[in-house]
Amino acid sequence: DIQMTQSPSSLSASVGDRVTITCRASQSINSYLNWFQQKPGKAPELLIYTASSLQSGVPSRFSGSKSGTDFTLTISSLQLEDFATYYCQQSYSTPHTFGQGTKLEIK
Amino acid sequence: QVTLRESGPALVKPTQTLTLTCTFSGFSLSTSGMCVSWIRQPPGKALEWLARIDWDDDKYYSTSLKTRLTISKDTSKNQVVLTMTNMDPVDTATYYCARLTTALMGLDYWGQGTPVTVS
Repeated sequence: DIQMTQSPSSLSASVGDRVTITCRASQSINSYLNWFQQKPGKAPELLIYTASSLQSGVPSRFSGSKSGTDFTLTISSLQLEDFATYYCQQSYSTPHTFGQGTKLEIK
Repeated sequence: QVTLRESGPALVKPTQTLTLTCTFSGFSLSTSGMCVSWIRQPPGKALEWLARIDWDDDKYYSTSLKTRLTISKDTSKNQVVLTMTNMDPVDTATYYCARLTTALMGLDYWGQGTPVTVS
């Protein structure tokens, strides 16, 4: 199985901050990396697919990038509604493993 | 519009078999490129991918759970069924179904989830 290592596991930030979350794959996954946002008691929502494509309806302050097997989710200017838990997931090969999650909290 | 909804028992006893149904609308699992996956999330923990079934009836399973899982589809009813045998308290979780399309290779629509307690 491909292991997805996400960091940090938690992060405190303020409204307006630029935030970066990283996900490393244990082997090449091409660009088959997705990012999800999950708020308490809700299902996850797709933010970014294939590493850098913005899902329809997602604000442009969210962006994704890739460097080898390292992937980054960037939120350019945090808004109050962005405080949530974020997950990466590879869809290169089954099983489509998830990262451990990053909880983004208000500082 | 695309919707998915999970249904099944809220409480199962250890050693029993869990059967969950995902009923969806807004797409067809007979259309090329359409897939449905199951994912679960124990309380306070991370998401765990369980299984996937494709439009062509290809099936894929979690490595650690594959001996206990079976996924199937009923295209005429727009349903996907997941069974998990020999349930244990560690299987207590919210179970989600979600659509994946090979165009995006991302889970773009999710059900609200159904909580299952094993006790």
